[in-house]
Amino acid sequence: GQSLEQPSEVTAVEGAIVQINCTYQTSGFYGLSWYQQHDGGAPTFLSYNALDGLEETGRFSSFLSRSDSYGYLLLQELQMKDSASYFCAVRATTSGTYKYIFGTGTRLKVLA
Amino acid sequence: EAQVTQNPRYLITVTGKKLTVTCSQNMNHEYMSWYRQDPGLGLRQIYYSMNVEVTDKGDVPEGYKVSRKEKRNFPLILESPSPNQTSLYFCASNPSGKGRNEQFFGPGTRLTVL
Repeated sequence: GQSLEQPSEVTAVEGAIVQINCTYQTSGFYGLSWYQQHDGGAPTFLSYNALDGLEETGRFSSFLSRSDSYGYLLLQELQMKDSASYFCAVRATTSGTYKYIFGTGTRLKVLA
Repeated sequence: EAQVTQNPRYLITVTGKKLTVTCSQNMNHEYMSWYRQDPGLGLRQIYYSMNVEVTDKGDVPEGYKVSRKEKRNFPLILESPSPNQTSLYFCASNPSGKGRNEQFFGPGTRLTVL
């Protein structure tokens, strides 16, 4: 079957750096995305990797290695507002159409 | 303002009573999806649509129906709701099923089926 695995919870202190890993097993891989969701809110898009390597957007960076079916989200200079759940998602193909598979999410707790 | 809207935001209903959750986007996006979110299970795609009159099943389509008669609207229909469909539902859209995977999510609909 198709699946994405990520740690269920990560804890770090303000100002630190944290990495959230995601390994995937899907058919027809067409890119890895990351979403942030605060409690009671909707997911919001953070980043997207279609090719191997690092993509940087401010304090957030995302990395992809297609040969290892692996990616990660790197959050630097952690702030209290970064406490949220983070989901990786893969766009997979099936019979010429495109569906999305999400990981189960990583809850990040940022401590003062 | 570019957005995805859903209605209702909260709904409590009883088993077997047909309901529809509406979803509308004003960004002229081709691709629209419905997801359900349950604790520990993340977001699971129910149905998606790559364009008008083109819909397909996601990973958990049982018990749901959708239609896409207009580009902006993608309603989710529960013909005979059951308690196991109690969940938080999100509608999402993105420009197409290809390219950058940025999906825009609606605010969510919390459904309780008694």
